[in-house]
Amino acid sequence: DSGVTQTPKHLITATGQRVTLRCSPRSGDLSVYWYQQSLDQGLQFLIQYYNGEERAKGNILERFSAQQFPDLHSELNLSSLELGDSALYFCASSDTLGTGLNYGYTFGSGTRLTVV
Amino acid sequence: AQKVTQAQTEISVVEKEDVTLDCVYETRDTTYYLFWYKQPPSGELVFLIRRNSFDEQNEISGRYSWNFQKSTSSFNFTITASQVVDSAVYFCALSEATSGATNKLIFGTGTLLAVQP
Repeated sequence: DSGVTQTPKHLITATGQRVTLRCSPRSGDLSVYWYQQSLDQGLQFLIQYYNGEERAKGNILERFSAQQFPDLHSELNLSSLELGDSALYFCASSDTLGTGLNYGYTFGSGTRLTVV
Repeated sequence: AQKVTQAQTEISVVEKEDVTLDCVYETRDTTYYLFWYKQPPSGELVFLIRRNSFDEQNEISGRYSWNFQKSTSSFNFTITASQVVDSAVYFCALSEATSGATNKLIFGTGTLLAVQP
């Protein structure tokens, strides 16, 4: 157990639907990152939150949104789903913004989304 | 801008062979971190190593070793005496550590290593 919890582990849904992926960061970590891993795009950075605020945006579609709550858990909302959104979605957390001797990232086990 | 290049898409070796996975990175920052992750068929991302830009010492951990060369912007990973259990996708990644900036982790495209018995 890495300390980062992602739910659900698997999700199958139809095109046009909306889903929510949840991530609980490792205890004490303030930063949460979302990544999408699809077969043809590799591991793509989507978005980062730090202590409740959006910190950075990557190649995140307008149909996707995220937020980080006061208890630091994060949710990634995917709407108007398309077949191409099928992918493994990872959440990671870190305790700092880039400094510290123990600087690193802890990844969850991912949510495998299949859009049919 | 940050960029990580793993030119080797797939490598196939026979058990007990040594194999080197290449990683070349681009960054404008003077302070940055480099990482290697392993993704076995089960899908999880397993952390292997972190190296900061001020530490160019090579590192060895069992059968794994890493060669960091700032002069060529490379951070190569060698597996000695490969085993079937080493079969996985290996990702090299970079994060810039400028204080106050985003420190998102940028991944290379990965190298699929297949170790044949």
